[in-house]
Amino acid sequence: DTAVSQTPKYLVTQMGNDKSIKCEQNLGHDTMYWYKQDSKKFLKIMFSYNNKELIINETVPNRFSPKSPDKAHLNLHINSLELGDSAVYFCASSQELLVTGELFFGEGSRLTVL
Amino acid sequence: GQQVMQIPQYQHVQEGEDFTTYCNSSTTLSNIQWYKQRPGGHPVFLIQLVKSGEVKKQKRLTFQFGEAKKNSSLHITATQTTDVGTYFCAGGRDNTDKLIFGTGTRLQVFP
Repeated sequence: DTAVSQTPKYLVTQMGNDKSIKCEQNLGHDTMYWYKQDSKKFLKIMFSYNNKELIINETVPNRFSPKSPDKAHLNLHINSLELGDSAVYFCASSQELLVTGELFFGEGSRLTVL
Repeated sequence: GQQVMQIPQYQHVQEGEDFTTYCNSSTTLSNIQWYKQRPGGHPVFLIQLVKSGEVKKQKRLTFQFGEAKKNSSLHITATQTTDVGTYFCAGGRDNTDKLIFGTGTRLQVFP
């Protein structure tokens, strides 16, 4: 059983389109995250949710909108995709909030914007 | 803002050689975590250090947290091809802060 699962694994789309990535965790964790990993492998936190409540919202463009329907799910919707959005997006979860918790990552969703 | 840098950026070693990656933070950290990401994979948690000067070992891996809690290191003894991947440190300024990932060190091991 996959602990943190993301879909789709690969996404290729044109500039200007809107796309969504879904994430689910079956670990019973209260906290979930979205991280972006660029071509240089830098991992940057985008959002964090704790029990469906937004905790962290880094300086991410408004085109990115996370949604957490329940504490086991955290989705990411991106409007008006741009070339610079091409990256691997990782969902993660942790038992504890913020820095003290071990992060469990999903397998990633590779987004390519043409 | 807080920055966490790792050196070297890349390291190529012959199988059997030792490897060390260093992690340096611009601010004092409450704790440090280490992750390994295999090529094409996702980051996987290795360990967490919380005490000043703490040293922990996992088989051939030795992790150290600096006395000032601003730096850390990961040392691998006698590398194997299975050690290939990118190693990230990650830390936060206090327990209410977000986890900031280091820039990563990519390790390549030649047989």
